[in-house]
This record gives sequence, C-alpha cells and structure tokens, in this order.
Amino acid sequence: DTEVTQTPKHLVMGMTNKKSLKCEQHMGHRAMYWYKQKAKKPPELMFVYSYEKLSINESVPSRFSPECPNSSLLNLHLHALQPEDSALYLCASSRPILNTEAFFGQGTRLTVV
Amino acid sequence: DQQVKQNSPSLSVQEGRISILNCDYTNSMFDYFLWYKKYPAEGPTFLISISSIKDKNEDGRFTVFLNKSAKHLSLHIVPSQPGDSAVYFCATTSGTYKYIFGTGTRLKVLA
Repeated sequence: DTEVTQTPKHLVMGMTNKKSLKCEQHMGHRAMYWYKQKAKKPPELMFVYSYEKLSINESVPSRFSPECPNSSLLNLHLHALQPEDSALYLCASSRPILNTEAFFGQGTRLTVV
Repeated sequence: DQQVKQNSPSLSVQEGRISILNCDYTNSMFDYFLWYKKYPAEGPTFLISISSIKDKNEDGRFTVFLNKSAKHLSLHIVPSQPGDSAVYFCATTSGTYKYIFGTGTRLKVLA
C-alpha cells in the first residue's frame, strides 16, 4: 500500500473562514510534508514533519498552521486566507531517511473567494 | 533561483518511439534524483530514482541517466505509450528532507 489519502478533494472557502485539510498514510512513514502547487508551476515545499515534530517551515505565513497529531495523520489548518492562496495543496510522506522517494496524495484543490 | 531546471516545457512523441526528458541542476552537492509523473489535478507519482554513485538506473520502460560532470540527468521512456502523456518533474532531495522540483515538461504521446 503506497497510498496517501487527502481530504477533501475540493474546498471553497471565504477569506474569513477557518478550515482544515487532512492527510493520512499507513505506510509507517515518519516524515510527512505539505506542498503547495500553483498552475503551471512545480510543487513548493511548505512544511516538513519528522517523527511528528515540525522540522522545516519554509517561511510560510501564519495563516497556515500545520499539525501532526500522530504518525499517520497530518493536518493543515487554514484561517484568514487570501485569494492568492488558491492552489493545489499536496501532502506527501516518506521514510525518515535521506535520499528516498516521497509518496504524494492526490491533493486538495483550494479556492479562496 | 531555480536550482533544478527542465528547459523543455513540452515534448511531443509518436507512440512506440523513445521519449527523452532532460533536467539540469546547479549544485554539484546534490546526490539523489527522482522523476515524478503528474496528471492534472492529481498528486505526483514516483517513477524512478538514481543515486549519484550510479550513472544509470532502469525500471521496465523507464531509464534514468545521470551525468554528474555536466550536472544533467535524463529520463528515457521506451516505447512511449499514450498513457504516458502527463507532466514530468525531475526532483532532488538536496541532501535534506526538502524535495526540490524542476519546472516540469509536458509530454504528449501521439497515437
């Protein structure tokens, strides 16, 4: 099983809303990631969790708040987003070692109105 | 500052022929490279990887070649199939947990 499951697949939210994106994997991976992808651009790293602790924050605005409640789950809490935050949000996981492949979920298409 | 570059934004190939996708990187310290395939509105799917101790890695129809002196890698798909039509990203881990992606090449395999 090499599946990373993200919910919801699509989300439309207003600029004053609070919402959460969810990601789950059961591969025993202890590294989990959030990426953001805009149209016709490569995925850009936002956050990395290693053994449930935040290890990398790529200077992401505080309106994005990650959470890793256990080794299988990763959340991204959203609050007071801007229309320019509309994008495909991708979750990924990997073994907690360097030089290994990461497996990606199918993404959440977020639209901020 | 794009550390991983794919200079061909698009490529069209006839079914059954070879597809060659290219990727250049800037940092000679990068030592692990991956190729991902992506369909619209889906996440990237891992295809194949290569470590800098090798210059070639093969998996079925997919072969990745690494030229460290030129800081260049390529993905060969033989034979190409219509289902291979997608955007292909090369990536590196840059020796950290950061996966850095190239700009992508859209491959279209013509039936």
